[in-house]
Amino acid sequence: EAGVTQFPSHSVIEKGQTVTLRCDPISGHDNLYWYRRVMGKEIKFLLHFVKESKQDESGMPNNRFLAERTGGTYSTLKVQPAELEDSGVYFCASSQGQTGEGYEQYFGPGTRLTVT
Amino acid sequence: RKEVEQDPGPFNVPEGATVAFNCTYSNSASQSFFWYRQDCRKEPKLLMSVYSSGNEDGRFTAQLNRASQYISLLIRDSKLSDSATYLCVVNPNAGNMLTFGGGTRLMVKP
Repeated sequence: EAGVTQFPSHSVIEKGQTVTLRCDPISGHDNLYWYRRVMGKEIKFLLHFVKESKQDESGMPNNRFLAERTGGTYSTLKVQPAELEDSGVYFCASSQGQTGEGYEQYFGPGTRLTVT
Repeated sequence: RKEVEQDPGPFNVPEGATVAFNCTYSNSASQSFFWYRQDCRKEPKLLMSVYSSGNEDGRFTAQLNRASQYISLLIRDSKLSDSATYLCVVNPNAGNMLTFGGGTRLMVKP
C-alpha cells in the first residue's frame, strides 16, 4: 500500500512569490492534516480536513496560507506571498479515523520550502 | 512554556546500553500520548503509543505519569539502528491535533 506522498520534495522560491504544495493521502483515509517545522522549532499543527471539509484550522499562521481539498482526495497548501519566515518543512499526514479515537496519523516525507 | 518539553540531547551511548528519555506536557487534559521516531530528513513514524498502565514493545518501554505530567521512553540493548530523533507527542483534549516536543536526539556508537 502506498504511503502519504508529497510534491515537490524541495522548493526554493523568492520572497513574495507563490508556492503550492501538494499532498496525496493514503487511499481511503478521510482525515488529512498539515503540519510544519520551521527552523529550530518543533513540528506544529496547521489544519485538519475530514474529506473536503476543514475540521480545524486553528494552526494556520495567517491569511497568506490557503489549504484546499476539493473532492476529498488530495490536498494543496498555497502560500501567497511567501515570506522568509515561511521556510521550513511542511508535512502532510493522513488517518483512517479520528486521532481521538485511536487512529494513527501516517506522515508523508515532507516538502522542504526555502524562501530567499 | 512549551506545551511539550524534551531534552534535545544528543544522547551518545554505546551499543548495548540502556537509555531513557523523558518529556513533560503542560495540558493536564491531554488524552493520548505517543513516541514517534524521526530519522534524519525523513518523516516522523509512530514508535509506540503510551498507556497509563505502561507498555512494552520488545526493547522499548513507555510509561506515563499523569500526576506529574511526564512520559518516558526506555530503550534497552541499544542498536546502531536506534540512532534517530525521538519525538514526544501529545493529543490534547481528545481532538485530532498532535502536539510535538522538539525531539531528543539519540546516537548509538559501536
